[in-house]
Amino acid sequence: KAGVTQTPRYLIKTRGQQVTLSCSPISGHRSVSWYQQTPGQGLQFLFEYFSETQRNKGNFPGRFSGRQFSNSRSEMNVSTLELGDSALYLCASSPGQGQGYNEQFFGPGTRLTVL
Amino acid sequence: KQEVTQIPAALSVPEGENLVLNCSFTDSAIYNLQWFRQDPGKGLTSLLLIQSSQREQTSGRLNASLDKSSGRSTLYIAASQPGDSATYLCAGRYNFNKFYFGSGTKLNVKP
Repeated sequence: KAGVTQTPRYLIKTRGQQVTLSCSPISGHRSVSWYQQTPGQGLQFLFEYFSETQRNKGNFPGRFSGRQFSNSRSEMNVSTLELGDSALYLCASSPGQGQGYNEQFFGPGTRLTVL
Repeated sequence: KQEVTQIPAALSVPEGENLVLNCSFTDSAIYNLQWFRQDPGKGLTSLLLIQSSQREQTSGRLNASLDKSSGRSTLYIAASQPGDSATYLCAGRYNFNKFYFGSGTKLNVKP
């Protein structure tokens, strides 16, 4: 069974630009969560999507948004990039319901650098 | 507010030693606790998941325990190897599928 895939793996942008990251979950998984990881703040939860609906949201500004498609693939968008948005963005896949629905499996991440 | 803490932040041990990593959480209404391993610049690899109704889980040389009443979980690594060198993170899952991560313990196993 293929794991969680994230594209692109590396991205360099300049301040003020916007960026879209993509995550394909494990086949059959309906929940996708997004996290930001930085050396100073560690892993912080951004949001979770389940069956195309945002089910949970962390404490990030509205510049961070996401969506999920009918095939469970998810995208995360960051608008008006700031230097502090430089981070490793990780997505996690889980079944989303039923027994074992809460175990998360992570992708390799997208390293975003904002210049 | 749910908080997850990991101590120590870093640990260096000689190969072959048995070791324990600690994870503490403030809210005992935890649904489960998951241990991960992260290699530099990489994503997280799931190691063990302990449901709130369980006391421990084992996989190979790894054993994780959960004590909700004391707000603690431990990850025991037996006969450590240089390949075990990585950052180990614990994450508590709470209501509405929210996960809270600790800041991790960076483990170095010296040959």
